[in-house]
Amino acid sequence: TQLLEQSPQFLSIQEGENLTVYCNSSSVFSSLQWYRQEPGEGPVLLVTVVTGGEVKKLKRLTFQFGDARKDSSLHITAAQTGDTGLYLCAGGADSNYQLIWGAGTKLIIKP
Amino acid sequence: NAGVTQTPKFQVLKTGQSMTLQCAQDMNHNSMYWYRQDPGMGLRLIYYSASEGTTDKGEVPNGYNVSRLNKREFSLRLESAAPSQTSVYFCASRKTSPGAEAFFGQGTRLTVV
Repeated sequence: TQLLEQSPQFLSIQEGENLTVYCNSSSVFSSLQWYRQEPGEGPVLLVTVVTGGEVKKLKRLTFQFGDARKDSSLHITAAQTGDTGLYLCAGGADSNYQLIWGAGTKLIIKP
Repeated sequence: NAGVTQTPKFQVLKTGQSMTLQCAQDMNHNSMYWYRQDPGMGLRLIYYSASEGTTDKGEVPNGYNVSRLNKREFSLRLESAAPSQTSVYFCASRKTSPGAEAFFGQGTRLTVV
């Protein structure tokens, strides 16, 4: 069974600080996605990484896929209140039909 | 472009009642999914459908049934609701290709009393 562990589960920081969220597994994934979910809404895709060692940047967000394609990180620089939400990672399973989901990191950015 | 449309948004059921959650997508996706989301537990897969005419159990299928009515529609039925099924339910769809994005409905908040 493929599992994805996300850490931390909860993070509350001040606006302007930096933070990193981690997504780890003992399994290899063909792709790794990060989603953000706001209250009352479904998750929305932020980024997909597919190559080991890949780094993608989305404004103040930096995503990295581990060299062995077993782990990923999301780094936010100078967090803003608009970054508040639930961040979920999802790994692409071999079958292509399923995504394996982490439990999520609830991020609160205080003004 | 509506994306994934899920109904209803809210529902309260009494224990033992039945109901069907409806989901439709207009993106011509082959794969569709039903998840439940509980605090601290992320998204847990109930059932999925890799293509029209096929359905498979996910991680937590007990107490649920599904129907892939056509390529667009995938419904979830609770035959005899239990308080343990109180949750937020999400329908999603995606292309069946590596790294394909999952598109979600807005969710159904179900309370079973």
